[in-house]
Amino acid sequence: EVQVLESGGGLVQPGGSLRLSCSASGFSFRSYAMSWVRQAPGKGLEWVSAISGSGVSTYYADSVKGRFTISRDNSKNTLYLQMTSLRAEDTALYYCARAPAAMQAFDIWGQGTMVTVSS
Amino acid sequence: DIVMTQTPLSSPVTLGQPASISCRSSQSLVHSDGNTYLSWLQQRPGQPPRLLIYKISNRVSGVPDRFSGTGAGTDFTLKISRVEAEDVGVYYCMQATQSPLTFGGGTKVEIK
Repeated sequence: EVQVLESGGGLVQPGGSLRLSCSASGFSFRSYAMSWVRQAPGKGLEWVSAISGSGVSTYYADSVKGRFTISRDNSKNTLYLQMTSLRAEDTALYYCARAPAAMQAFDIWGQGTMVTVSS
Repeated sequence: DIVMTQTPLSSPVTLGQPASISCRSSQSLVHSDGNTYLSWLQQRPGQPPRLLIYKISNRVSGVPDRFSGTGAGTDFTLKISRVEAEDVGVYYCMQATQSPLTFGGGTKVEIK
């Protein structure tokens, strides 16, 4: 079964750091670009960051640029999001999503991992 | 950034009746490669988003054919021909033509 599973969320103080992971299975992980998309409580969807299949190319939303780093380990079929200098407005459910090149859309989503930034 | 505007915000529909959601982009979504990267997602209550349609009108495998997408340039529409109870949720359009990827604000489909 094709699936992705996020982990690593939790409660962190403002200014703190957290690393999210997304474990993929059932497909050739290295062949797909991947993204992180977040959803603040009761709000809509916001794209956060993307990475190419090889990991060479990375992209960020302005709201997280310079604070978040996306990476992947294709030998472990795992996607990461290193988050630093966290702010209250980063509080959200963080989804990992697969993006087939031919579609340029997110066809596989995980259940998400919740990040809460609060003192 | 490309701004995606969805209307209506909420759509109360009678079971078996059609529903239509509009999505407008602040600039053309035609990519330099000739494709238009506009997709539609459904998010049922308490669930992650689910891709329904990509590149304006291509339905994902397993998505019922009562869902259809049309449009071009800056104006796009998702239609549900006959709403069923399982269609309740929030629907989002998304553009991937230009970075950053952006989503519409969402349209809530509910049963009258």
